[in-house]
Amino acid sequence: EDQVTQSPEALRLQEGESSSLNCSYTVSGLRGLFWYRQDPGKGPEFLFTLYSAGEEKEKERLKATLTKKESFLHITAPKPEDSATYLCAVQALSGGSNYKLTFGKGTLLTVNP
Amino acid sequence: ETGVTQTPRHLVMGMTNKKSLKCEQHLGHNAMYWYKQSAKKPLELMFVYSLEERVENNSVPSRFSPECPNSSHLFLHLHTLQPEDSALYLCASSQEGGRAGEQFFGPGTRLTVL
Repeated sequence: EDQVTQSPEALRLQEGESSSLNCSYTVSGLRGLFWYRQDPGKGPEFLFTLYSAGEEKEKERLKATLTKKESFLHITAPKPEDSATYLCAVQALSGGSNYKLTFGKGTLLTVNP
Repeated sequence: ETGVTQTPRHLVMGMTNKKSLKCEQHLGHNAMYWYKQSAKKPLELMFVYSLEERVENNSVPSRFSPECPNSSHLFLHLHTLQPEDSALYLCASSQEGGRAGEQFFGPGTRLTVL
C-alpha cells in the first residue's frame, strides 16, 4: 500500500528564516510526486511535479527536491504570505490508475512578520 | 467564471435529507474528481470520472452517488448521511494521461450532518 508521511506536522518560522519540509514516501514504483499548497477555506493549489530522483523544481522562494525515498520543500527567506498547509502526494506506476494520488496529512507552515 | 467552482459552499443537512453538491470546471479538462477532507486526515479520493466514465470508486458507501453528465460538470448526490460524513468535499479536474496528477481544485463544500 502506498504511504506518504509529512514532517513536521506544524512549523513556525520568523520572516526570512529559511527551512525545509519533508515528505517520505513508500510506493510500488513512482510515477510522480506532487506538492500542493492549501490556504484556509480554499482547495489545494498545485505547485510542483517531480518524476525522478535528483530532479529539482523552483518557484519564487520554494524549491522542491526528490530522492528515492523522500522529497523536500525548501523555503528560502519566507514571507508571511507563504503561510499555508503544504501537501505532498504520490502517484504510483503500478496499480493501473493514472488518476489516483495518495496524499500526506500536510505540514502547517506559519511565518510570523 | 474561471477554474473550478463548487456550490453550495456550506451545507447543513439532517440524516434523512437528500441533497446534491455541484462542481463545474472551466479549464477544458477531461477528468474530474471528488475528494473528502476531514480534520487530521489525508485527502481521500472518492470518485474519478474520465471522459464522463467512472474510472475510480474507492470503496465509498452507497449513500454517496456521483453523476457526471458531461466533461465540465460533476455532481455528488447525498442521502441518509451519517454525522461522520461531516467534512470538506473537494472537487478537482485534470488533463488526461501523464498530467493527471496535476489537479486543479475547487474551494470545496463544507458539509455538516446533524
